[in-house]
Amino acid sequence: KAGVTQTPRYLIKTRGQQVTLSCSPISGHRSVSWYQQTPGQGLQFLFEYFSETQRNKGNFPGRFSGRQFSNSRSEMNVSTLELGDSALYLCASSLARDSHEQYFGPGTRLTVT
Amino acid sequence: GIQVEQSPPDLILQEGANSTLRCNFSDSVNNLQWFHQNPWGQLINLFYIPSGTKQNGRLSATTVATERYSLLYISSSQTTDSGVYFCAVSSNKLIFGTGTLLAVQP
Repeated sequence: KAGVTQTPRYLIKTRGQQVTLSCSPISGHRSVSWYQQTPGQGLQFLFEYFSETQRNKGNFPGRFSGRQFSNSRSEMNVSTLELGDSALYLCASSLARDSHEQYFGPGTRLTVT
Repeated sequence: GIQVEQSPPDLILQEGANSTLRCNFSDSVNNLQWFHQNPWGQLINLFYIPSGTKQNGRLSATTVATERYSLLYISSSQTTDSGVYFCAVSSNKLIFGTGTLLAVQP
């Protein structure tokens, strides 16, 4: 069974631009969560989608948004990029919500210049 | 919110040595996972262990949920074990500790 895939793997953007990252979960998994990893803040939860609905959201500004499609694939969007948005963005999928093991993709490394 | 603390923050071992990594969490959780982050950033699942003991080769883990801690044991360490080890707990989202940076020297 294929693992979680994320595209693109690397991305360079300039301040003020917007970016869209994509995540395809493991086949059969319905929950997709997104995390941001930075050297200063560590790994932080962004949001979770299940059945095309955002179920949970972390403490991030409204510039960070996401969605989930009927095939469980998910996208996250960051608008008006700031230098501090430079990070590794990780997507995780699980069979269902709560108490289920999460499996991570390889991540998208975003650099904002 | 739930706080997750990992110790030690850094660990240097000689190849062949054993080690124990600890994860303390501040509240009841229904999910606990251990991950190894490889040099390219991917989080590799080691254990899903909300309670009890599990073993996988040279690695084993124990979670004592009533006392709010988990331990990851690495035996006969190899250079390929180097990297950052994270503990993460969840009620409805994964909350990560700050990790243990392990360096195994040949």
